[in-house]
Formats: sequence, C-alpha cells, structure tokens
Amino acid sequence: EAQLVESGGGLVQPGGSLRLSCEASGLTFSASNMNWIRQAPGKGLEWIAYISGSSDTIFYADSVKGRFTVSRDNAETILYLDMNTLRVEDTGFYYCTPGGGSWFDPWGQGTLVTVSP
Amino acid sequence: QSVLTQPPSVSGAPGQRVTISCSGNRSNIGGNTVNWYQQLPGMAPKLFMYSNNQRPSGVPDRISGSRSGTSASLAISGLQPEDEADYHCAAWDDSLNGPVFGGGTKLTVL
Repeated sequence: EAQLVESGGGLVQPGGSLRLSCEASGLTFSASNMNWIRQAPGKGLEWIAYISGSSDTIFYADSVKGRFTVSRDNAETILYLDMNTLRVEDTGFYYCTPGGGSWFDPWGQGTLVTVSP
Repeated sequence: QSVLTQPPSVSGAPGQRVTISCSGNRSNIGGNTVNWYQQLPGMAPKLFMYSNNQRPSGVPDRISGSRSGTSASLAISGLQPEDEADYHCAAWDDSLNGPVFGGGTKLTVL
C-alpha cells in the first residue's frame, strides 16, 4: 500500500522560504507522476505543481509560478517543494499525491505552512 | 474563488438521500471526467469517486456519481453518521491547462 509522508512545514514570515519534503513508499516512485495540492484554512483544494516521473515535465499553477520549485529524488523516493517569497495567502496544508489529470490517489497527511508577520 | 461551483453545505437525516452538485463549463466538466474526494474531519482528502461514476474499492454502492453536460453530481443514499465529511469535485480544465476543484461541500448528518 502506497504511503506518503509530508514534512517541512512551519511558521515563516512573509518573504521567507521553506522546503517541503514528501517521502514515498509502497509505490514505484520513479514511474509515478507527482503533485502538490494545498488547502487554505476552511477553503477548498488548489492544485499547485506537477512533476513527471522522470522530471522532464513540470507544471505550476499561476499562483505559485516563479516562486515555487518542485523537484524529486527518485533514488531516495522523495518529492520536494521549494517555496520562496512566501505570502500570507500561501498559508495552508500542503499535500503530496501521485496522479494526473484530476485523479489523485493516495494522499499524504499534509504539512501545515503558516505565513505570518 | 473556485473554478467549479459547489453548494457550501448540504444536510440530511440518517437513512435519507442527498445529492451534491458540481457546476463547471465546457473547458472542464463539459469535456473531461469528474473525480470526487471525501475529506473526513481533520483528515486528508481521499479519492471517493473517479471517472464520473466509478467507485474505488471500499466505497459502498449506496454512493453514486453522474455527469451531464457541464455539471456533475454525487449522490449518497441511506445516509449514515460516518458520511459526515467535506466533499470536493475536480476536473481537468483545457483552458487553464491544469486540474481545477470546487470549493467543497460540507455534508451534515442530522
């Protein structure tokens, strides 16, 4: 059974940076296209980044383009999200999940990012 | 503001049937399949319905999904207390070139 464990969240000031990690197990990670999806407190879900298994295809939502960078280490089965120039509106839970289109399964438990002065 | 439109909340008594709607346009629901995610209180989302009307393993057959035109719906019959959760619809959007979600619907079992 696939398992995903996110980490790296925390409290950061506006303009700051964070690196999120997602450790994957129980799936053929190098063959899995991966995504980051976030959820602001009390709000809906927002897809923010996609990376193909070989890292040759990467997409971002407009809301994070130019500030966030997704990457992966297939040898270590870890997915990363480098977040720079953080804004208050980036606050929320960040989830990693394999999938494509609008099909995402399974999901990690999420890691909370709080951007506040 | 979410691209797909869902009612913020629905409710029903145990044993009743409720439906949750999800409205979009030709770029998303009108041309692509819809997936639904269930999010139990304090938990991460979980795939609950895929390809409009396909149930993942473990989802009971009292749950059904449908899509017509630019709208989709999720129906839950024989409501049970454990159905109380947030439900999110999702579809690929050809204009935005990415997946889009609804704002989520909170289901309350009275």
